[in-house]
Amino acid sequence: GNSVTQMEGPVTLSEEAFLTINCTYTATGYPSLFWYVQYPGEGLQLLLKATKADDKGSNKGFEATYRKETTSFHLEKGSVQVSDSAVYFCALTLANAGGTSYGKLTFGQGTILTVHP
Amino acid sequence: DTAVSQTPKYLVTQMGNDKSIKCEQNLGHDTMYWYKQDSKKFLKIMFSYNNKELIINETVPNRFSPKSPDKAHLNLHINSLELGDSAVYFCASSHELAGGSDEQFFGPGTRLTVL
Repeated sequence: GNSVTQMEGPVTLSEEAFLTINCTYTATGYPSLFWYVQYPGEGLQLLLKATKADDKGSNKGFEATYRKETTSFHLEKGSVQVSDSAVYFCALTLANAGGTSYGKLTFGQGTILTVHP
Repeated sequence: DTAVSQTPKYLVTQMGNDKSIKCEQNLGHDTMYWYKQDSKKFLKIMFSYNNKELIINETVPNRFSPKSPDKAHLNLHINSLELGDSAVYFCASSHELAGGSDEQFFGPGTRLTVL
C-alpha cells in the first residue's frame, strides 16, 4: 500500500537555524507530494506541493524537491522563525491509471517543530 | 467569509450517546472529506464524498455515518460513542482535478471528548 514516513520529532531549534524534516514515501503509480502545516489550535493548511519528479515546491521560505530516485520529499528552510513553530505533515495523493484521483491524502505521522527565540 | 467551517468546535459527551458534527464549505468545491486526528497527531482519512456521492470509506465502524445533503455540506453522525472515538475530527474540501494534485482546504477541527 501507499505510505509516508517522516522523521521522528519533536524538533527544537533556535531562531535563524537551518531546518530539515525528512520525508520518504512508498507508492504505486505517480504520486503528488505535499507538505501541510498545522499551527496550534488550527486546521491544516497547504505549505507547498510538487506533482512530478524533480519539481520543487516553495512557499514562505520553505522548499522541498520531489526526488523519485530516493522516493523523498524533504522539507527545508534556511532560517526558521518563532512563528514557524507548528506540526508539519508530509502527504501524498495518487492518481489512478486514468489520471484522475479521488484526492485521498495519505499522511505521515507529523513532526512537531518548536523554535525558540 | 470562512472557507470551511465546522460546528461545534468542542464536543464533550458521555459514552453511548449519539452526536453529530456539521461541516460547510463556501468554496464551490465538489469533494469533501472527513479526517480523524488522534492524540499523537496522526491523521487518517475516514470518508470522501464527490457531488454528494460516497467515494471513500476507509474501514470506519458503521457507527459513523456521513451525510451529504448537498455539495456544500458533509455532516458526520456518530452513534453509540465509545472512549476510543475521542479525537479531533477535521472536515476538508477540494476541487476534483485530474492527477490528485489539488489542494485540500481544512476546517478548524472539532475536538470530541467521550467520557
